[in-house]
Amino acid sequence: EIVLTQSPGTLSLSPGERATLSCRASQSVSSRYLAWYQQKPGQAPRLLIYGVSSRATGIPDRFSGSGSGTDFTLTINRLEPEDFAVYYCQQSSTSPTWTFGQGTKVEIK
Amino acid sequence: QVQLQESGPGLVKPSETLSLTCVVSGYSITSDYYWGWVRQPPGKGLEWIGNINHSGNTYYNSSLKSRVTMSVDTSRNQFSLKLTSVTASDTAVYYCAGAGYWGRGALVTVSS
Repeated sequence: EIVLTQSPGTLSLSPGERATLSCRASQSVSSRYLAWYQQKPGQAPRLLIYGVSSRATGIPDRFSGSGSGTDFTLTINRLEPEDFAVYYCQQSSTSPTWTFGQGTKVEIK
Repeated sequence: QVQLQESGPGLVKPSETLSLTCVVSGYSITSDYYWGWVRQPPGKGLEWIGNINHSGNTYYNSSLKSRVTMSVDTSRNQFSLKLTSVTASDTAVYYCAGAGYWGRGALVTVSS
């Protein structure tokens, strides 16, 4: 079973700053099957990034994903007020099973 | 527009069976994707429960496998979840998801 570990647990930043979120896998993950989700309170997760670096429909280009193997990163350039939320990475490399990281909360400093 | 909608009882008694259905609209469930259930206990993270495809092939989280059954009804473009012998720790928002889309979630509380 692949375990995903996200860091940091909480990121305190100001609007306009850059957020860098990490997701580390316990074993290599196929790039095709690494995704990032954003979740706001009371809402379902929303797909941001799939296949490590492809933005989902309607996702602004300030969101970008990178990485390979066991280390993946979500970067949010110039944080907007609506970006403060919890972010989860997900793998489905051992398709069709899914695994989620424990989440990183991006909060306003 | 693709929509997933969960439905089912919001309150289940301990030791009973939780049953939820997810109706998919705007997307054929017979596509080459797996459709799944994910839950989120209050204030906690996301936990994958299991996946199913249009042929009825299922994969379950090993920690829940003994209590989970998923089924699919392609004629109604929907799939379902049953979780037996529930306890308070099964209280959560249950989401159905697939092909990058998620339902809005259904809160299920386990209480007598």
